[in-house]
Amino acid sequence: GAGVSQSPSNKVTEKGKDVELRCDPISGHTALYWYRQSLGQGLEFLIYFQGNSAPDKSGLPSDRFSAERTGGSVSTLTIQRTQQEDSAVYLCASSLGPGRGGVNEQYFGPGTRLTVT
Amino acid sequence: GQNIDQPTEMTATEGAIVQINCTYQTSGFNGLFWYQQHAGEAPTFLSYNVLDGLEEKGRFSSFLSRSKGYSYLLLKELQMKDSASYLCAGRRDNYGQNFVFGPGTRLSVLP
Repeated sequence: GAGVSQSPSNKVTEKGKDVELRCDPISGHTALYWYRQSLGQGLEFLIYFQGNSAPDKSGLPSDRFSAERTGGSVSTLTIQRTQQEDSAVYLCASSLGPGRGGVNEQYFGPGTRLTVT
Repeated sequence: GQNIDQPTEMTATEGAIVQINCTYQTSGFNGLFWYQQHAGEAPTFLSYNVLDGLEEKGRFSSFLSRSKGYSYLLLKELQMKDSASYLCAGRRDNYGQNFVFGPGTRLSVLP
């Protein structure tokens, strides 16, 4: 079946512009995660959606970052007034979610490489 | 915070065995996951441990000691294609089951 998809694969934007990054999780996965990864670094947690529960936004670095998940499926990460330090690869992952049994491992999308000039 | 620590880089020889260690705060996690990430690619799931002990999956094994806050990933019969970053991730001990990732260990396999 189809895996996690993200679009665009690459985005170059000017400082101060807003950007939207999209994630399509695996069908049936109730959990969706956004991470940020700078070059040569580990994954930085941004936000987590689980079913209809309120999202865990504890990883969002500033109020310029926001995310929503419509209909429990597609998610959009929005960065307003982008800064150069926002340049990174933004990874989305989905999993079956808790209480569904199994390992509940995450399946990652290919990422969106964001470059702010 | 809930820190997870790993060595930054490791080097090993093709055909050898390598052990990648991961340490974490003992409270707050109820599972340890290992992911592999090749350069420029997304992470892929390798192994996980919920209970103490060794889990074996072919050339890869993972070990967990919850009381010591310690896990390792063991790679046997190393191949050149095993050159990648290996990420240790703790699953938070709450209903939401969010994850905290370590910084990753970059493994280079030399001929």
